[in-house]
Formats: sequence, C-alpha cells, structure tokens
Amino acid sequence: EAQVTQNPRYLITVTGKKLTVTCSQNMNHEYMSWYRQDPGLGLRQIYYSMNVEVTDKGDVPEGYKVSRKEKRNFPLILESPSPNQTSLYFCASSPGLAGHNEQFFGPGTRLTVL
Amino acid sequence: QKEVEQDPGPLSVPEGAIVSLNCTYSNSAFQYFMWYRQYSRKGPELLMYTYSSGNKEDGRFTAQVDKSSKYISLFIRDSQPSDSATYLCAMRTRADDMRFGAGTRLTVKP
Repeated sequence: EAQVTQNPRYLITVTGKKLTVTCSQNMNHEYMSWYRQDPGLGLRQIYYSMNVEVTDKGDVPEGYKVSRKEKRNFPLILESPSPNQTSLYFCASSPGLAGHNEQFFGPGTRLTVL
Repeated sequence: QKEVEQDPGPLSVPEGAIVSLNCTYSNSAFQYFMWYRQYSRKGPELLMYTYSSGNKEDGRFTAQVDKSSKYISLFIRDSQPSDSATYLCAMRTRADDMRFGAGTRLTVKP
C-alpha cells in the first residue's frame, strides 16, 4: 500500500530533550516536506526537500532540523524542544515540485513539550 | 493579513443539506487550488483539485475557483454524516509555496 508513515504518533517530552520524528514514504517520491498544524493557523511548512541531500527552509524553520540521506526517509529533529513547539506535525511527499503533483500526508505526530 | 483566509466554523448542518465552504486569498500568482478533507486523528487527504479558474465536479462535490475575485468554494450536495470532518483549502504555484487555510470544521447530523 502506498503510504507515508510517521513515528511516533504521540510524544510527550520535556524542554531541552532532543527528539527525532521519523517519516518514510514508499512511493519513490522526490519531494518531501514537514508541516505543523496549530488551531487557527492551519498547516505551515517547516522544511522541505526536493531530493536526497537537498533541503530548504519553509515558513517556520526555527528550532527544527532535517536531513535527507535516503530518498524514502525525511526525519524531523528538534535539538532542544520548547513548549511553543507543542503541535501536530505532518510529513508529506509528492512525486515532484510541479504544482499539479498531489501531496500525500502521513497520519500525524502529536507532540507535547512540557 | 493572512495569505489565505478560511472561516474556521464550526459548521453544523442536517443530513441532506447543501454545504458551502469558502476561502479567499491574496496572492494572484496561485494557479493550483485544492480542497483537503481531514478526519479526526488523521492526515489531510486530497478531495478536489482545480487548475486556474473554473468549476470541477466529482460526485457530490463541486469545486469553484474565481481568480478575478481571489475566491474559491467547495460545495457538498446531499451531505452525509460521513462528510463530517475538517476541510482545508490550499493553493500554490508549485509544491514548495503551498499555503493552507485554517480549516473549517463540518458536522453533518443524522
């Protein structure tokens, strides 16, 4: 089944404790991205990657890191999480950068930073 | 001012009603317009996609884009309880400049 998977689905952590949220897609997509979803603000892009070893900042990159060492994986790293990073996170992938490509979303990771 | 404005609702309608969901936007460069449906505890899934202005129909769903007014709509006919979800409008020129509305939460009551 074609899908985007994320782990963990739920995470409660404390301020300053490094964490990684994994994202994997099995559709051989070139483009992957991370979003956060907050009430009243919709989905906002954190980082994106157009291919292996090619990443770039989205609209809200502060406090986050990413890497793209393999085409299928795009982990999101919070080196020193803070309470304002409490949010619902989605990973997404699409075949390419062109606007007509459908973007497929993972199931989401709900993160709480205490 | 947000780049994409969407009334968050919530919107509650009886089963069988016609539902109208709307978004306005400010960036005239947007060419691709999408509606995503998001069920509780799930990721968004693409419902309708339209390129440039015009209408597109798919079963009970109709998407309209009016680029001159920077206004897009989604109509749901004969709404069902299974349509209860949050509906997100989205638009872009390409994948890395995608902008989402805040989402409208819809409940269809039996």
